[in-house]
Amino acid sequence: DAGITQSPRYKITETGRQVTLMCHQTWSHSYMFWYRQDLGHGLRLIYYSAAADITDKGEVPDGYVVSRSKTENFPLTLESATRSQTSVYFCASSFEGGSEKLFFGSGTQLSVL
Amino acid sequence: SQQGEEDPQALSIQEGENATMNCSYKTSINNLQWYRQNSGRGLVHLILIRSNEREKHSGRLRVTLDTSKKSSSLLITASRAADTASYFCASYLIQGAQKLVFGQGTRLTINP
Repeated sequence: DAGITQSPRYKITETGRQVTLMCHQTWSHSYMFWYRQDLGHGLRLIYYSAAADITDKGEVPDGYVVSRSKTENFPLTLESATRSQTSVYFCASSFEGGSEKLFFGSGTQLSVL
Repeated sequence: SQQGEEDPQALSIQEGENATMNCSYKTSINNLQWYRQNSGRGLVHLILIRSNEREKHSGRLRVTLDTSKKSSSLLITASRAADTASYFCASYLIQGAQKLVFGQGTRLTINP
C-alpha cells in the first residue's frame, strides 16, 4: 500500500537493549524525519534526512542513531535504551523538506522498562 | 525549546459552535502549518500559510497569520464531533529551514 508505515506499532524492551524502529515510505520523498512525542514536550525532532546517505541532527539526537541507505527507508536505532526514551515515535516524510508539509506514520509506542 | 505555543491547551465546546485556537512563535518563519492528531494516531496536515499571506481558508478551516505579532489562529466553524482531536501549529525557521518545529498542541473536545 502507498504511504508511510512504521513498525512495530508497540514495543516493550529493557534498559540497555538495542532497539530499532522501522520507517518505510512509498512516495520516493526526499526528506524523512523522526520525532518523539511526550506529554509536556509536544513533538521534538530527533533526526532528519534530506536524501539517501544524508542525515542531520534535530533537537534531541543523543542516544539515537539513524541511517538512510535507501530513499524509502529510515530506521531509528536506540543503541542502549534508557527509561527516558519511553515515548511515542513518529516518522514523517516530505517531498522537498524546506517549506513542504509532512506526512506522518501512525507511530511506534515504545516502553523501556 | 518550542517555537510555537498554542493557546488554550484545552478547549471544550458544543457541536455546531466555532472553535478558535491560537499559536504564538518566537523567531522569523517562512511558513506556518496546522496539523490535527486524533487519539493514538499520527498527525495529519490541515493547512499551510506562508509568511506573505494573512489569511487562508480550507473548507470549514480559516487560518490567519500576523507576522508583526508572531501569531496565528485556527478557526474551525460549525464544529462536529469528528473534529475532536489535538491541534498543533508548526513552523519552519528561516535559519533552519529543514526543521519543522511543533508547539505542544490544543486538545479540542466537541460535545454532542
